[in-house]
Amino acid sequence: QLVLTQSPSASASLGASVKLTCTLNSGHTAYAIAWHQQQPGKGPRYLMNLNSDGSHTKGDGVPDRFSGSSSGAERYLTISSLQSEDEGDYYCQTWGTGLMVFGGGTKLTVL
Amino acid sequence: EVQLVESGGGIVQPGGSLRLSCAASGFTFSGFWMHWVRQAPGKGLVWVSRISSDESSTIYADSVKGRFAISRDNAKNTLYLQMNNLRVEDTATYYCARVRGSSTQTGWFWYFDLWGRGTLVTVSS
Repeated sequence: QLVLTQSPSASASLGASVKLTCTLNSGHTAYAIAWHQQQPGKGPRYLMNLNSDGSHTKGDGVPDRFSGSSSGAERYLTISSLQSEDEGDYYCQTWGTGLMVFGGGTKLTVL
Repeated sequence: EVQLVESGGGIVQPGGSLRLSCAASGFTFSGFWMHWVRQAPGKGLVWVSRISSDESSTIYADSVKGRFAISRDNAKNTLYLQMNNLRVEDTATYYCARVRGSSTQTGWFWYFDLWGRGTLVTVSS
């Protein structure tokens, strides 16, 4: 069974950088994922898809401050120069055997 | 403008029915597979259902199988979700989402690249 694991929360100061992690379970460690952002009270927004080799393609209008990288079973989303509007929930998503799978989400607080 | 706009949510009693709609604009709707995803209050995203571009293939999460039906009208650029025999645990904001495919090292990868704003469904007596 395909499972994505995310830390429930993260925090960083305004102007700093933060690295969020999404971990694929055993047997699925080479899978690609996508990152989505959900600001408070809004629908999700697609940020990027991220391959196992770290190559990634961002969605239209996604700032350069957002980048992705990979190491083994882990997929990372790094946000630099944090701004107040970056606060919200971040979800990773993948696909397997015809079904879409989401991680539990990470709530990012910008201090 | 490329967008998805959901409608049809509301308050319904357990055992009742609702039909959600998702109006697509700004892109060739008939060329994309579409999904419904839901989010219970304060919880994470959960996939609900998917339909192919020509409506020939549909699939559902086990939690809604036999109660929900996904469909589309490509002439009207609209996606639907018929929800029957609703339960309290179906209470959620429902989002429609477009998917794109990408070739990767492990094969074809599908990801959501466009989301709607959602419509709230509340099941309560």
